[in-house]
Amino acid sequence: SQTIHQWPATLVQPVGSPLSLECTVEGTSNPNLYWYRQAAGRGLQLLFYSVGIGQISSEVPQNLSASRPQDRQFILSSKKLLLSDSGFYLCAWTKTTGNTEAFFGQGTRLTVV
Amino acid sequence: GESVGLHLPTLSVQEGDNSIINCAYSNSASDYFIWYKQESGKGPQFIIDIRSNMDKRQGQRVTVLLNKTVKHLSLQIAATQPGDSAVYFCAENQAGTALIFGKGTTLSVSS
Repeated sequence: SQTIHQWPATLVQPVGSPLSLECTVEGTSNPNLYWYRQAAGRGLQLLFYSVGIGQISSEVPQNLSASRPQDRQFILSSKKLLLSDSGFYLCAWTKTTGNTEAFFGQGTRLTVV
Repeated sequence: GESVGLHLPTLSVQEGDNSIINCAYSNSASDYFIWYKQESGKGPQFIIDIRSNMDKRQGQRVTVLLNKTVKHLSLQIAATQPGDSAVYFCAENQAGTALIFGKGTTLSVSS
């Protein structure tokens, strides 16, 4: 069966510090991978998605970047965090072909102080 | 930006009642729709999906209705239980694109 791992679960970082959130998927190959951000009481905003290694599409301009160094690994990064980067970050994957549901990780609660 | 929205941000029901959560979408090209349930501090969990060639689909205690004419989607939960308390999101998808989510409806079930 497929599983998705996302870590850390919580993170408190000072303004200006770097960020690296990691997500890995097991049990499937060539998944589509996604990073979403959820502000408190809000819906999920799509940040990045990837259809393959090294292929990243950015949905909104921001202080973040994403990379996919391996087929089942998706990393969300920032060189210098802003207060507005605080939120709940969710990684998700879908099968490559067809319309299918997205499977989510358990999320990372990031607080920038 | 978000192309999917929900009519009500909150819904309060009594245990045992039926709940109906509504969602309007704007992209007429969307052909796949999903309802997710998100409990506090966790990632969204799949509840039920429906494709645009259907107008109704039933699961265990849940039914999704799709009205393509008015671009409306609803989730019906039968005999709502306290464990159903969560935030519910609808999401739409057009083939080859990422899922787009609405803002969510918070369902509160009191016993």
